[in-house]
Amino acid sequence: KQEVTQIPAALSVPEGENLVLNCSFTDSAIYNLQWFRQDPGKGLTSLLLIQSSQREQTSGRLNASLDKSSGRSTLYIAASQPGDSATYLCAVRPGGTSYGKLTFGQGTILTVHP
Amino acid sequence: EPEVTQTPSHQVTQMGQEVILRCVPISNHLYFYWYRQILGQKVEFLVSFYNNEISEKSEIFDDQFSVERPDGSNFTLKIRSTKLEDSAMYFCASSAIWGRKTKNIQYFGAGTRLSVL
Repeated sequence: KQEVTQIPAALSVPEGENLVLNCSFTDSAIYNLQWFRQDPGKGLTSLLLIQSSQREQTSGRLNASLDKSSGRSTLYIAASQPGDSATYLCAVRPGGTSYGKLTFGQGTILTVHP
Repeated sequence: EPEVTQTPSHQVTQMGQEVILRCVPISNHLYFYWYRQILGQKVEFLVSFYNNEISEKSEIFDDQFSVERPDGSNFTLKIRSTKLEDSAMYFCASSAIWGRKTKNIQYFGAGTRLSVL
């Protein structure tokens, strides 16, 4: 059974810092990995999706990397801003199923203070 | 940008009552999902739906749950007899036909908060 773990559980940084959020998964046979942002009481906003054949994806100040063989992904946020404060979730889709279910980590709660 | 719409945003019900949570997926999407998130816990998969039938379901999705696509736009989750432990945020998601552009991204709605009293 796939298990997804995110470290740290919470992170508080001053504005302007670069930071790294970590995600690990136990079964490396994944189809893809998706990073989401969740604001309090709100839905999930997709940030980046990395296919299993890719090593990284970039969108603006966000960069996600994937090391499938070791079961790890990182989300790098450059020049953090207070508006980045949210919970960040990673989720994996099992291999061989392009439309399969996502298995989520518990999230990292990020606070960026001015 | 197209989005997944869920109604109501908050549903309060008495234990034992039936509830129907409604979702309007993105219009050209073919795969539909329900997930739930109990307060303070991980987002958990409930069920996926394609071509008018369930394609996968989790252990959580027992006989008390059912899904339906009653028309060309709505996708519903019904809980027949709610329990206290059904209190959670329920998320609907959809994804499109495979392609380089879509990358099978699952798009999520804002959720329905279900409170069972």
